[in-house]
Amino acid sequence: GQQLNQSPQSMFIQEGEDVSMNCTSSSIFNTWLWYKQDPGEGPVLLIALYKAGELTSNGRLTAQFGITRKDSFLNISASIPSDVGIYFCAGRNSGAGSYQLTFGKGTKLSVIP
Amino acid sequence: EPEVTQTPSHQVTQMGQEVILRCVPISNHLYFYWYRQILGQKVEFLVSFYNNEISEKSEIFDDQFSVERPDGSNFTLKIRSTKLEDSAMYFCASSRDRGLTNEKLFFGSGTQLSVL
Repeated sequence: GQQLNQSPQSMFIQEGEDVSMNCTSSSIFNTWLWYKQDPGEGPVLLIALYKAGELTSNGRLTAQFGITRKDSFLNISASIPSDVGIYFCAGRNSGAGSYQLTFGKGTKLSVIP
Repeated sequence: EPEVTQTPSHQVTQMGQEVILRCVPISNHLYFYWYRQILGQKVEFLVSFYNNEISEKSEIFDDQFSVERPDGSNFTLKIRSTKLEDSAMYFCASSRDRGLTNEKLFFGSGTQLSVL
């Protein structure tokens, strides 16, 4: 199956700092989604990207769909303590007839007040 | 805001027993999914369901698994004879559309299944 490499695996930052994480794939996706998961909860959709080159913001979050369609990044600006959690990228290539999402392994974010 | 609800939140069962995990998708959604997450690992696709039939399944979704939409609101995942390795958090998800520009997948809070 398709594999997603998500990095970094974890990060510790000071409150107020900006954060960047990314996902790369060996194959093309036509949809990228970014989710946040709090402990014991399900993933919550943050940003959805549907077109190569697309740059989308949601408050302090910005995500981009890479031009090659093999990568995406998520930036969080001016981090706050409630940003703590695990961030997952997820991709799909429905052009191959599959609608299942392939998830990255997650980036665990810790924010030091 | 509408949400996907799952019950129970925790399920403990003996190996070999049958379990049914229940989900109520968002009411105007048409596509339903089950995913699972083994502790500390990534979320993995199990199955998708549309128009009262399975539209796609992964290699994890073997003959021990089945899904059903018994009425207009519930969507269930049954594991016929549970194994230790079935222990995981099981997430139900739903979406209204399925396409390149409209699909947004919403997840429930999950059922933590522990097989002893």
